[in-house]
Amino acid sequence: KAGVTQTPRYLIKTRGQQVTLSCSPISGHRSVSWYQQTPGQGLQFLFEYFSETQRNKGNFPGRFSGRQFSNSRSEMNVSTLELGDSALYLCASSPEGGSGNTIYFGEGSWLTVV
Amino acid sequence: GQNIDQPTEMTATEGAIVQINCTYQTSGFNGLFWYQQHAGEAPTFLSYNVLDGLEEKGRFSSFLSRSKGYSYLLLKELQMKDSASYLCAVRDNQAGTALIFGKGTTLSVSS
Repeated sequence: KAGVTQTPRYLIKTRGQQVTLSCSPISGHRSVSWYQQTPGQGLQFLFEYFSETQRNKGNFPGRFSGRQFSNSRSEMNVSTLELGDSALYLCASSPEGGSGNTIYFGEGSWLTVV
Repeated sequence: GQNIDQPTEMTATEGAIVQINCTYQTSGFNGLFWYQQHAGEAPTFLSYNVLDGLEEKGRFSSFLSRSKGYSYLLLKELQMKDSASYLCAVRDNQAGTALIFGKGTTLSVSS
């Protein structure tokens, strides 16, 4: 069974640009969550999508957005990039998201903003 | 609100036993997770506790006390490959489906 796949793995962007990251969850998983990981703040929850609907949202500015497609694949977008957005962005998939222990992370997308 | 605390760093010797503690404050506890993360890699699932008690899985065990807001991860027969960051995360009903993570404990195993 394929794991959670995130693309691209590494990217460099300039301040003010926008970026789109993609996540393909494990087959059969309908919940996709996104997290930002930085050395100072650790892992912080961005948002969660389930059946193409945003079900939960963390405390990030509106520059951070996402969506989910009918095949459960998800994308997140960051507009007007700031230096502080440099981080590892992790996607996690689970069958339902709200219970149980089946939550698996992808390898992440390393974003550097210069 | 939610708060997760765990030590920043720990060191241990190969073959030894180490216990990584995690204390948490949540409004609506709905499960505690431990993940292992090697540098530059994805977090990998280690254990899950939702009821009080000890869960054992090979060299790794995890304990939960909901009344004390406390968990620990016990690693036995340490190996060099266990050098990694260990992340404690809590799912809180008030936060919906989100996992609230501690900042992680970096464990260094030496020979």
